[in-house]
Amino acid sequence: GDSVTQMEGPVTLSEEAFLTINCTYTATGYPSLFWYVQYPGEGLQLLLKATKADDKGSNKGFEATYRKETTSFHLEKGSVQVSDSAVYFCALRQGNYQLIWGAGTKLIIKP
Amino acid sequence: KAGVTQTPRYLIKTRGQQVTLSCSPISGHRSVSWYQQTPGQGLQFLFEYFSETQRNKGNFPGRFSGRQFSNSRSEMNVSTLELGDSALYLCASSLAASGTSNEQFFGPGTRLTVL
Repeated sequence: GDSVTQMEGPVTLSEEAFLTINCTYTATGYPSLFWYVQYPGEGLQLLLKATKADDKGSNKGFEATYRKETTSFHLEKGSVQVSDSAVYFCALRQGNYQLIWGAGTKLIIKP
Repeated sequence: KAGVTQTPRYLIKTRGQQVTLSCSPISGHRSVSWYQQTPGQGLQFLFEYFSETQRNKGNFPGRFSGRQFSNSRSEMNVSTLELGDSALYLCASSLAASGTSNEQFFGPGTRLTVL
């Protein structure tokens, strides 16, 4: 079945460092891909999404490009801030089915 | 516009008891989905309700049930609680049913601890 694999955390970076969180997927067809963020004590928020190959989703300085050839949707940000500390989830949705989630990657940014 | 609200935020129960969690979606949203989040299993889909009808169901035992009322508010019930039911239960609402381009908006969750 369909699945999403994320890099294990925690990922610890210094402020202003470059961020990459890897996400790869296994799916038949052409799923939509998502990144959600969960700040401490809060629910999940949609960060960005891409619905077809080569689409680039972006929001709040974060970017991810839907790469069908490598079945990847890596999350990147050029300069992270302490406020970016959170858990990041990669997810896919195939057609009319529910979201399928990765395990989540905890990001810790040190000042 | 108020976001998704979940009550209670924290709950402690003992094995064998039952529990009911409540979710109030964003005004105008008709779809409510429930997820269980645990450190070991991550996020797992429980079920989705749209216009008072269950549309999708995840792979959970029958001890987990839910319902949706005419005002779109939803409740989920877990009977005969087990230690493994300890988790963060998240509710998400959207304008229409899953599978569309509608974004899901999540509540803060209910933290259930089973002793």
